[in-house]
Amino acid sequence: QPVLTQSSSASASLGSSVKLTCTLSSGHSTYTIAWHQQQPGKAPRFLMTLEHTETYNRGSGVPDRFSGSSSGPDRYLTISNVQSEDEADYYCETWHTNTHWVFGGGTKLTVL
Amino acid sequence: QVQLVQSGAEVKKPGASVNISCKASGYIFTTYAMHWLRQAPGQRLEWMGWINGGNADTKYSQKFQGRVTITRDTSATTAYMELSSLRSEDTAVYYCARDYIHDKWGQGTLVTVSS
Repeated sequence: QPVLTQSSSASASLGSSVKLTCTLSSGHSTYTIAWHQQQPGKAPRFLMTLEHTETYNRGSGVPDRFSGSSSGPDRYLTISNVQSEDEADYYCETWHTNTHWVFGGGTKLTVL
Repeated sequence: QVQLVQSGAEVKKPGASVNISCKASGYIFTTYAMHWLRQAPGQRLEWMGWINGGNADTKYSQKFQGRVTITRDTSATTAYMELSSLRSEDTAVYYCARDYIHDKWGQGTLVTVSS
């Protein structure tokens, strides 16, 4: 079963860009993932799915400041023109044969 | 718009069971699966299982097999998750989420297990 690894924290200045990374374990580099945002005290919010081909599909209402890219086992979430409301935890997840879903540990984004 | 509204917070004693509901609206309930997940304090999100909205087939995480039961009522467009034999480690916020990509989430239900 796949394992997802994320850095525990990241920071970005208001108006800048930041790139968060989610790494798939060996043997799972072609898996599609989903990115979710969890603002403090709130439920997660779906941002996008992201394939190993770099195709990504944002959820309804997700600003186009959020984009995805891929390289090998790495899946990236780029936030452009960072806003104060982007301060949140960001989780990646993937699924295996529709029988098991796993999440990364999450990255806490601080907006400076 | 698509909405998932969960039942309210619960406080349970060890050994008891909890049943959480998730009322869906804004889409055709039977065309999407409903998943259940949880987030314990300071822990990562954890998948528990899912139910096919159409035929009610279920799949559960091995970790919860035997303790979790997911059902649905199509007339009420509501999914339910029952977790039995509760222990303190089950204290968490429980979420329902739509479809295999979890594209919509309920607001969460806090379950506290304490003697």
